[in-house]
Amino acid sequence: DAGVIQSPRHEVTEMGQEVTLRCKPISGHDYLFWYRQTMMRGLELLIYFNNNVPIDDSGMPEDRFSAKMPNASFSTLKIQPSEPRDSAVYFCASSGAPGGTQYFGPGTRLTVL
Amino acid sequence: GDSVTQMEGPVTLSEEAFLTINCTYTATGYPSLFWYVQYPGEGLQLLLKATKADDKGSNKGFEATYRKETTSFHLEKGSVQVSDSAVYFCALSERQGAQKLVFGQGTRLTINP
Repeated sequence: DAGVIQSPRHEVTEMGQEVTLRCKPISGHDYLFWYRQTMMRGLELLIYFNNNVPIDDSGMPEDRFSAKMPNASFSTLKIQPSEPRDSAVYFCASSGAPGGTQYFGPGTRLTVL
Repeated sequence: GDSVTQMEGPVTLSEEAFLTINCTYTATGYPSLFWYVQYPGEGLQLLLKATKADDKGSNKGFEATYRKETTSFHLEKGSVQVSDSAVYFCALSERQGAQKLVFGQGTRLTINP
């Protein structure tokens, strides 16, 4: 299995620009998670989906952030407009069962100048 | 809310030394407990887990025992290797079957030859 795939691996953009991060979960996994990792706040859950439906988005920082899962094999996390404080590593993870092991992708390192 | 506290790093040891990374938690229910490891440039990987009191999780020579009386889940290894250098995260889910993980801040471990 290819594991969780994220793209791009690195993104550098300027403040105010739209940023779209992409994730392909492991085939057959019903749960998909988006996390953000920063030095100051550590690893935070932003949102998670079950069967393509958002279940808990309480971690999404503000309206500038949005996430979608149009089908079982693809999800996006969009930031519009981006700000320097959004600079972080964003991880996608998937899981095959309730409470099951979460498998993480390699992450996208976002730098907003 | 639920929370996880890990010993602050960085931790630097010599090869073959004994390792302990402390982790304590606060939870209202009966959480499941996890240790994840993050190697440089990669996403997190599950190292071990325990789902109920007195359970011991083990993998790759690492062990951790779920101690309800002290609300702890300390990670130990008898003889570390250079390849164990990574960041280690303690985490909990609020109950068995729950999806949301709460992570500690992470402990960076460096093993010198």
